[in-house]
Amino acid sequence: DAGVIQSPRHEVTEMGQEVTLRCKPISGHDYLFWYRQTMMRGLELLIYFNNNVPIDDSGMPEDRFSAKMPNASFSTLKIQPSEPRDSAVYFCASSQITSGANTGELFFGEGSRLTVL
Amino acid sequence: KNQVEQSPQSLIILEGKNCTLQCNYTVSPFSNLRWYKQDTGRGPVSLTIMTFSENTKSNGRYTATLDADTKQSSLHITASQLSDSASYICVVSANRDDKIIFGKGTRLHILP
Repeated sequence: DAGVIQSPRHEVTEMGQEVTLRCKPISGHDYLFWYRQTMMRGLELLIYFNNNVPIDDSGMPEDRFSAKMPNASFSTLKIQPSEPRDSAVYFCASSQITSGANTGELFFGEGSRLTVL
Repeated sequence: KNQVEQSPQSLIILEGKNCTLQCNYTVSPFSNLRWYKQDTGRGPVSLTIMTFSENTKSNGRYTATLDADTKQSSLHITASQLSDSASYICVVSANRDDKIIFGKGTRLHILP
């Protein structure tokens, strides 16, 4: 398996533009997580899905952020409109867990580095 | 409040030396604790997982310890190599509400 695949690896955009980040989880994994990483705050959970259903989106900073998982092999994280403070590395991770979201190993993608000017 | 605190924030050692990274947590009820290694520009990768009943686990030159009474964990790296230069993140999971709490990591630099 190729692991968790994210795209784009790097994105530079101007304030106000829409940004869409994409993720393909490992086949067979039933949990998908979106994280944001900054130097100041470390890794922060934004949202996670179980069997394509959003379970906890309490980490989504505000209404400008939205995430979807239309099927088991694809998820998107969208920021509209983007702001400079959204600049960070966004990680997608997937896991195969038999009971609960917190007992399995998280497999991370390589991340999408977003810079909003 | 569920928290994971790591120390030191950063560490520089010479190649071949040993080092120990610390993790203190207040997560309750405790489920498990993982150490992840994150190379620069890459995603984190799991090194070890420890449950309540385990107090030591090794993965090559990496040895993790857990004291569930004092809620402390350590990651010991033996005979460090240049490739050990990375951030090491302590992650604690709670049994309630499927919470996974990340520490901010320790940035380790190995000098030749």
